[in-house]
Amino acid sequence: DAGVIQSPRHEVTEMGQEVTLRCKPISGHNSLFWYRQTMMRGLELLIYFNNNVPIDDSGMPEDRFSAKMPNASFSTLKIQPSEPRDSAVYFCASSVLAASGELFFGEGSRLTVL
Amino acid sequence: SQKIEQNSEALNIQEGKTATLTCNYTNYSPAYLQWYRQDPGRGPVFLLLIRENEKEKRKERLKVTFDTTLKQSLFHITASQPADSATYLCALDINYGQNFVFGPGTRLSVLP
Repeated sequence: DAGVIQSPRHEVTEMGQEVTLRCKPISGHNSLFWYRQTMMRGLELLIYFNNNVPIDDSGMPEDRFSAKMPNASFSTLKIQPSEPRDSAVYFCASSVLAASGELFFGEGSRLTVL
Repeated sequence: SQKIEQNSEALNIQEGKTATLTCNYTNYSPAYLQWYRQDPGRGPVFLLLIRENEKEKRKERLKVTFDTTLKQSLFHITASQPADSATYLCALDINYGQNFVFGPGTRLSVLP
């Protein structure tokens, strides 16, 4: 299996532009997580899906952030409009929902908003 | 307030020694605790999981302990090697696989 696949790996954009980050989870995994990592705040959970349904989006910072999972093999995280403080590494992770499910992370999307 | 702390931001040890990393938490009651390794520019990679009713778990040169009374987990790497240099993150499973809260990480450097 190729693991969790994220794209783009790097994105540089200007303030106010729309950013879309993409994730393909591991086949057979039914849980998907979006995390954001910064030096100041570490890894923060943004949103979690179970069987393509958003379960907990309390970590989404503001209405500028939205996430979708239209099917079991694809998810997007969108920021519109983007701001410099959104600069971070965004990770997608998937797992098999279980009490001891380990998370499998992608390599991340490094976002820089100028 | 809820908080997770890892003993230090950075830890330097000599090759061959045992590295001990600490994860302390307050106001959480995790059923499980996990440890991950993260290399620069990469995503975290799962290492070990320990359940609340387990005191100790081992995997090759790795050992994890979990004390729910002290609200602390210790992560040991024995016979450390320069290849063990990385950031190590503890993660609390606070909702049976549905919510993982990560500590800030400890950057370990094993010096040859």
